Parts: sequence; structure tokens; C-alpha cells
Amino acid sequence: SQTIHQWPATLVQPVGSPLSLECTVEGTSNPNLYWYRQAAGRGLQLLFYSVGIGQISSEVPQNLSASRPQDRQFILSSKKLLLSDSGFYLCAWRLGLAGVDEQFFGPGTRLTVL
Amino acid sequence: GNSVTQMEGPVTLSEEAFLTINCTYTATGYPSLFWYVQYPGEGLQLLLKATKADDKGSNKGFEATYRKETTSFHLEKGSVQVSDSAVYFCALSDTRGTSYGKLTFGQGTILTVHP
Repeated sequence: SQTIHQWPATLVQPVGSPLSLECTVEGTSNPNLYWYRQAAGRGLQLLFYSVGIGQISSEVPQNLSASRPQDRQFILSSKKLLLSDSGFYLCAWRLGLAGVDEQFFGPGTRLTVL
Repeated sequence: GNSVTQMEGPVTLSEEAFLTINCTYTATGYPSLFWYVQYPGEGLQLLLKATKADDKGSNKGFEATYRKETTSFHLEKGSVQVSDSAVYFCALSDTRGTSYGKLTFGQGTILTVHP
């Protein structure tokens, strides 16, 4: 069966510090991968998605970047964090097949920028 | 573009009450529709889905029917439990070939069930 991992689970970082959040998927090949942010009291905002190694699409302009160095690894980064980057970050995967629409989510990373 | 609108929350119910959370959507083409649930401090779990008009998705006593004529996908449960307290998200998938399975989410509805 497939599983998705995210780490760290919780992170507190000062403004201006760098960020690296990691997401890995097990039990599947060539998944589509997604990063979402959930700000307090709000819905989910799609930040990035990837359909293959090295292929990244950005949905919104922001202080963050994403990379996919391996088939089942998806990394969210920032060089300098802003207060507004605080939130709950969720990684998700989907089978890269036409007609299969549901996404499966990881446990999330709670990021607090002080 | 695509959009999903959920009823404003929070919703507070007593145990064994009937639940309805409204969801309407705007989309081009024929999207698939989903309900996800998020328990406190956790990621999202797929609760149920429907892929075409008149389909009924069901799971754990929850049901939702894909109504194309009213562009709706309302979530219902006949008798809620305290353990159903969570945030519920309605979502649709963009089925266009270049969409890469992106989901559009509603803003979420907080449900609290009291004993």
C-alpha cells in the first residue's frame, strides 16, 4: 500500500531564516505531487505541483520554491522566511493516470515564523 | 475558472442529530467531486467521492449525491457522533487534460458535535 510522509511535524523558525520541508511517498511510481498551505481559519491553497522529476509548476507568486530531486521526493524551500509564511503545509500525491482524480494527503507540517 | 462554495460554519450539533453541509460548485466540463475530512492537527482524509452526475458517494454513514442540474454536492449524515467533529472540505477536480489533477477546495466547514 501507498504511504506519504512529511517532516518535520512541527517547526518554529525566526523571520529571515531558511526553510526546508520534505515529503516522500512510498509504494507507487511516478506520482503527481502537490504542496498546499492552509493558513489559520482558511481553506487550502495550492502552492506547487509536479508531474515528474525536475518538473515544477507554481500556482501563486510567493517567497517559496519547490524541487523534486527524485521520483517520490518533493521538497518545499525558502531562502528567507516571512511572518506570512506561517501555516500548515500539506503534501499530497495522486496517481499520474488519466481518470484517477483523488489526492492523498500527508500528515502535514505546522510552521510558525516568529 | 473553477470554484467551490461551502456553507458558512461553524456548525454545532448534538449527538444523533442530522447533518447537512451544503456545497455548490462552478466548473467547466465534468469534474469529479470529493469530500475530505480533517481531524484536529492532522492532514486531510478522503471521505467520499462521485465521478459523474447522479452518482452517490458514501462512507462511514456519510452520503453525497452529484447533482449536475443544481451544481451541488451536499454532505449528509443521519446521526452524527462526537467523533465526527472535524473540518469538512468539498473539492472538485479539473478534468481537462492539462490540469494534472489539480483540486479546487471550498473554504471548509467546522463541525462540532456535543454529547
